[in-house]
Amino acid sequence: KQEVTQIPAALSVPEGENLVLNCSFTDSAIYNLQWFRQDPGKGLTSLLLIQSSQREQTSGRLNASLDKSSGRSTLYIAASQPGDSATYLCAVQGGSYIPTFGRGTSLIVHP
Amino acid sequence: DTGVSQNPRHKITKRGQNVTFRCDPISEHNRLYWYRQTLGQGPEFLTYFQNEAQLEKSRLLSDRFSAERPKGSFSTLEIQRTEQGDSAMYLCASSEMGDTQYFGPGTRLTVL
Repeated sequence: KQEVTQIPAALSVPEGENLVLNCSFTDSAIYNLQWFRQDPGKGLTSLLLIQSSQREQTSGRLNASLDKSSGRSTLYIAASQPGDSATYLCAVQGGSYIPTFGRGTSLIVHP
Repeated sequence: DTGVSQNPRHKITKRGQNVTFRCDPISEHNRLYWYRQTLGQGPEFLTYFQNEAQLEKSRLLSDRFSAERPKGSFSTLEIQRTEQGDSAMYLCASSEMGDTQYFGPGTRLTVL
């Protein structure tokens, strides 16, 4: 059974810092990995999708990397802003197309 | 294209009542997923459809839960004889095969 762990569980940083959020998974036979953000009481917003054949994806200030062999992904946020405050979730999708989510990293960026 | 929509957004019901939620996916997406999320947890997979076929169901989906996707368009999730433990946010997502999942805003269920 796939298990996904996200570290740290919570993070509070001043504005402008560069951040690294970690996601690890136990079964490396994945189809893709997706990073989401979730604002309180809301649905999930997709940030980046990395296919199993890819090593990284970038969108604006966000960069996500994938190392299948070690079962790890990182989400790098450059020059953090208060508007980045949210919970960040990673989800891995295996061959059965059933996604497994981590519990998320709760991020607060204070001015 | 207005994205994935879910109705109702909030539902309060008494224990033992039946409830039904609706999800309208992005029109060209052939996959539709249902998840349940409780406070402080990531979404837990419940079931998914490819077109009108229900391909996978989680063990979380007890006999009281049923989902349908007639004609491969919108989907409904019904919970019969609700229990307080069913209180959660129910999320729907859609995607094209193997691609990015797009989530709706969710339906928050409170069982009194």
